Amino acid sequence: GQNIDQPTEMTATEGAIVQINCTYQTSGFNGLFWYQQHAGEAPTFLSYNVLDGLEEKGRFSSFLSRSKGYSYLLLKELQMKDSASYLCAVKDSNYQLIWGAGTKLIIKP
Amino acid sequence: DAMVIQNPRYQVTQFGKPVTLSCSQTLNHNVMYWYQQKSSQAPKLLFHYYDKDFNNEADTPDNFQSRRPNTSFCFLDIRSPGLGDAAMYLCATSRDRGTVNEQFFGPGTRLTVL
Repeated sequence: GQNIDQPTEMTATEGAIVQINCTYQTSGFNGLFWYQQHAGEAPTFLSYNVLDGLEEKGRFSSFLSRSKGYSYLLLKELQMKDSASYLCAVKDSNYQLIWGAGTKLIIKP
Repeated sequence: DAMVIQNPRYQVTQFGKPVTLSCSQTLNHNVMYWYQQKSSQAPKLLFHYYDKDFNNEADTPDNFQSRRPNTSFCFLDIRSPGLGDAAMYLCATSRDRGTVNEQFFGPGTRLTVL
């Protein structure tokens, strides 16, 4: 079966750095996406990786290792507004998105 | 601004009473998706349209139907809602189905079943 694993919850301090990990087992691979979802709202697109390596976008970076079936999302200079769930999703061989359950990130002052 | 719009934002229905949720998009995207998301769970794909081509997920209950009368609009019909159908329903679009095409989500409709 297809599977995406991410930690259920993480806590970090305002101004710090946090890394959210994602491991996946899918039938085929056509890219990995990270989405941010605030409570009660829809997911919003953060980043996309299809080749190995690091993609940087301001305070957010995403890393991919296809051989290890592994990605992480790195958030720097954390702000209170970053408190949200972060969902990892992989496009499989049929171009369907397989979603993780999300990591709830709690930011403390 | 180009966007994905869902109406209503909150819907309350009674057990067994049919309900229709609507989604419209101004992005002119080919693909439209309907997801069900329950608290602290991953979004679950119910079905998607690639243009007019309807694609139903194997485990989507028959109770859920969809219509896409034109490029801009897509509807989710729940014929006989049960208590287990209470969830957030998310509509999303993407320009195409290929690798880099990210999905754009509407704000969602939260369905309550009494």
